[in-house]
Amino acid sequence: SQKIEQNSEALNIQEGKTATLTCNYTNYSPAYLQWYRQDPGRGPVFLLLIRENEKEKRKERLKVTFDTTLKQSLFHITASQPADSATYLCALDKGGGNKLTFGTGTQLKVEL
Amino acid sequence: DAGVIQSPRHEVTEMGQEVTLRCKPISGHNSLFWYRQTMMRGLELLIYFNNNVPIDDSGMPEDRFSAKMPNASFSTLKIQPSEPRDSAVYFCASSSPLAGVNNEQFFGPGTRLTVL
Repeated sequence: SQKIEQNSEALNIQEGKTATLTCNYTNYSPAYLQWYRQDPGRGPVFLLLIRENEKEKRKERLKVTFDTTLKQSLFHITASQPADSATYLCALDKGGGNKLTFGTGTQLKVEL
Repeated sequence: DAGVIQSPRHEVTEMGQEVTLRCKPISGHNSLFWYRQTMMRGLELLIYFNNNVPIDDSGMPEDRFSAKMPNASFSTLKIQPSEPRDSAVYFCASSSPLAGVNNEQFFGPGTRLTVL
């Protein structure tokens, strides 16, 4: 069966460090992968999309990599800040964006 | 634009009662999605519509769940009768291929449902 796995335990890092979150999937061949941020009591907010033919995508302090051989995406936040504390979700689709399957998310805490 | 609007934000009901959740998508978006989020199962897609037509309802857990989209600006998710295991946060999201190059989904604030 299709499965998406993200770090189940919370990730605690110090301000200024780089946070790295992992998204692994099995039995999928996604056309692209999206990352969302979710704050407590709110709906997810889209951050980045990376396509199957792209190795890396950047947006300000965010960087996403996509390795279709390893079936893995890494999400990096450089120079992390306490305001980056949230739950980060990866989502896979098979093209068209109409049907997304979400991972369970990783909670990130950036401490002073 | 106000974004995706959901109502009510919180709903507490007793087992066996009918529950109706409402959603107004972003104007101009032609796809609408209903999700359910729990600690155990994460964020699950229940059903989605394109141009008001249900396309995939394979995520709807049981016949007790039904969804409608009578027009482009309104959708409902109904649970009848409700059970305690339906307690969750229900999100509505909308998207449009014209809204952005990433075809991302825009989520509402959610409805927290508690069935006693």
